[in-house]
Formats: sequence, structure tokens, C-alpha cells
Amino acid sequence: EVQLVESGGGLVQPGRSLRLSCTASGFTFGDYAMSWFRQAPGKGLEWVGFIRSKTYAGTTEYAASVKGRFTISRDDSKSIAYLQMNSLKTEDTAVYYCSRGLRFPDYWGQGTLVTVSS
Amino acid sequence: DVVMTQSPLSLPVTLGQPASISCRSSQSLVHSDGDTYLNWFQQRPGQSPRRLIYKASNRDSGVPDRFSGSGSGTDFTLKISRVEAEDVGVYYCMQGTHWPVTFGQGTKVEIK
Repeated sequence: EVQLVESGGGLVQPGRSLRLSCTASGFTFGDYAMSWFRQAPGKGLEWVGFIRSKTYAGTTEYAASVKGRFTISRDDSKSIAYLQMNSLKTEDTAVYYCSRGLRFPDYWGQGTLVTVSS
Repeated sequence: DVVMTQSPLSLPVTLGQPASISCRSSQSLVHSDGDTYLNWFQQRPGQSPRRLIYKASNRDSGVPDRFSGSGSGTDFTLKISRVEAEDVGVYYCMQGTHWPVTFGQGTKVEIK
């Protein structure tokens, strides 16, 4: 059974950093690209970015709203994808989801809440 | 960025009756590889998104056959043939053809 579990969320002050993890199981993690999405309270879904598999050089793409502040990486030996978030802003407050795939992501985690507030 | 426009944004439905959600894109969603990366997601209250339909018309495993997706180019539709109580939630279309990936605003389905 495919499972994705996000962790690392919490309350953080503006300007600080936080790293989220997405731990995968039930499939060959290294064969897949992984995406991150977010959902602000009471709002719709927003794509954050993705990382391709090593087959495609593990390259990354980011939404304009987070480019230069967020970094996605992966550790295929541990089946974990990371979302490093720096210079956090209040508008980054959201539930963050990881998912498998790029153009038609299939499995999603349960999400982890990040609250940016002083 | 490709703008995805859903309608209606709110859809009150009687149990057992059909429902239909429209999703229009500002550009064609046909990729150079020939596929159309238009997906439909269901988000029940308090839950994470669940993919129902991928590549416009392919129903995911385990998704009831009362859900169907259709359309091409810039015009797509999600249909529920007979709404059940468990279908309450917000439905999103998402395009993965062009970067950045973008979503529709969401359509809230509720029971009358």
C-alpha cells in the first residue's frame, strides 16, 4: 500500500526556517518524481514545487511565490522528500501536502500544518 | 500561467440526482506528447485531496463508476450520475500540462 506521511510542521515566526519531510512507503521511491502542494486555511490548492527522479537528474521547479526561499530535495536511500522553507512569511501559513508524481499526482499525504506568526 | 475556471462554485444537489462541474482552461491542455493532463480531485471535509480522474477521462482504481470525466482542449466536465451523501466536499480540476501546475477555484458540492 502506497503511503506518504508529512511531518515537521508547526508554529514559526516570520523570517525563520522550517524543514518538512515526506516519508514514503509501498513503492520504489527513487522511480518517482515528488510534488509539494499547500492549502491556506479555507482556501484552494496551490502547487509549491516538485523534484524529478534521479533518472531525470533530480531537477526541481518552484512556484513563483516560493522561488528563492523554498528548496525541495530527496534522499532515495531513506525514501524521503524534503521541503526546506526559509524566510517564511505569514502568507506561507497553510497545510502542506506531498504527493507522488508531476503532471497527474496520484497519492497524497495527510498534510502537515505550518503556521507563520509572531 | 494557465487559468483554470470552474463553474459553478457551489452546487447543492438532491441525493440520487446527477451533478456536473465544468472546468475551462485559458490554454489548450494538450501536451506535446499527445496527452491531456487534466485531473479531477475530491476533497472531503477534513481530508486530503483524492484523485478521481486523470488525463481528462481515466477513472482511478476504487473510484465509483458514477464519477466520469470528459472533455478536450480547453473544456472539461466532471459528472456524478447519482449523488450520494459521501460525495459531499470540494472538487478541484488541476492541469499538469503547463508549468506551473494550476488548479481551479474548487466547487463545493452539498446536499440540498
